Amino acid sequence: DAKTTQPPSMDCAEGRAANLPCNHSTISGNEYVYWYRQIHSQGPQYIIHGLKNNETNEMASLIITEDRKSSTLILPHATLRDTAVYYCIVRAHTGAQKLVFGQGTRLTINP
Amino acid sequence: NAGVTQTPKFRILKIGQSMTLQCTQDMNHNYMYWYRQDPGMGLKLIYYSVGAGITDKGEVPNGYNVSRSTTEDFPLRLELAAPSQTSVYFCASSTTGLSSYEQYFGPGTRLTVT
Repeated sequence: DAKTTQPPSMDCAEGRAANLPCNHSTISGNEYVYWYRQIHSQGPQYIIHGLKNNETNEMASLIITEDRKSSTLILPHATLRDTAVYYCIVRAHTGAQKLVFGQGTRLTINP
Repeated sequence: NAGVTQTPKFRILKIGQSMTLQCTQDMNHNYMYWYRQDPGMGLKLIYYSVGAGITDKGEVPNGYNVSRSTTEDFPLRLELAAPSQTSVYFCASSTTGLSSYEQYFGPGTRLTVT
């Protein structure tokens, strides 16, 4: 599975959009980009995934560059409850989901 | 649905003791996983299973054993506990097929070995 690079920490004001970047320059053609988050010490929670098109769900939007070497997770109106560690993971969408977690980005939403 | 449940929530072990971490899911998922998370780090895969009777090693299997006799249960066994196994352990499950993009995690078991 491709390796990802994320900034270790970011801050965002409550009510603003939080944009979390991820680099995955060695991504293969059959690999998807997944985002999970971990609030405090809870189990990780799935947010969104995509292959090459931009995706949106009730939690977030995912923007993938045309060359697929980087992506951005967007939380459109961040709240204090969005304070968490966000993990960008790249893997093929086949078989068992052996997720490889990096250290992620610690996002702090400030009031 | 309770989702993925883990017991116990907390445990303190002495060096050399053994224990079993329990994991149960009620979503009829074929795939189940065990991860460990050390302080300030991301999760690392210990073992996984693609169905009852089938298990395989992940990234950090040494010191652990698993079994999968039913679809619902996937216990993790620690033999001869060592301080290096102090960690938070997460169990997870996922389904198969086209909708198999989401992995569901349990609340974790915090283990301290002293």
